Amino acid sequence: DGGITQSPKYLFRKEGQNVTLSCEQNLNHDAMYWYRQDPGQGLRLIYYSQIVNDFQKGDIAEGYSVSREKKESFPLTVTSAQKNPTAFYLCASSRGTGTNEKLFFGSGTQLSVL
Amino acid sequence: SQKIEQNSEALNIQEGKTATLTCNYTNYSPAYLQWYRQDPGRGPVFLLLIRENEKEKRKERLKVTFDTTLKQSLFHITASQPADSATYLCALDPLGNTPLVFGKGTRLSVIA
Repeated sequence: DGGITQSPKYLFRKEGQNVTLSCEQNLNHDAMYWYRQDPGQGLRLIYYSQIVNDFQKGDIAEGYSVSREKKESFPLTVTSAQKNPTAFYLCASSRGTGTNEKLFFGSGTQLSVL
Repeated sequence: SQKIEQNSEALNIQEGKTATLTCNYTNYSPAYLQWYRQDPGRGPVFLLLIRENEKEKRKERLKVTFDTTLKQSLFHITASQPADSATYLCALDPLGNTPLVFGKGTRLSVIA
């Protein structure tokens, strides 16, 4: 089955700890994205990547880092600099960032602070 | 400032009625607009895309309109069912070839 897989489903972070959220896709999509969703809020863009070894900051990149070493994978690290990390994190992919491109989303990771 | 607003946080309707959800935007000139469905604890799922030169788009019981003069899109679900209960998100590409910007969503509850 083609799709986009996020893991883990639930993640807990201790104070001062970095944690990494996994995102893998087998859709052969060039573009990948990370969005953050807080209760009652829309999706806010953290980072996106249009091609391997390249990525751009979104609206709320501070306290996060990403890498895109392989086309299939776009992991997100939530660093200790992110003071309010509790949220639902969504990874998505699309064929490109051109017009008309729809997004395919993973099932999300709920991150909570211990 | 640029905004995309879904002006109902929650909408309750009776089964069999038509649900109408609104998406308004300011200071954007999108070439197209998309609608997604999100169930609790899940990622959004793409439903429909409508281009600026299309007045209306249909898919089964779903209908979307796009009025670039009013800067508004309407999303209709006809003959609504309890299974249609979910949050519906509108999204647009602000500059063309850039990531989608999403509204906050409208939580629809269809009551049997």
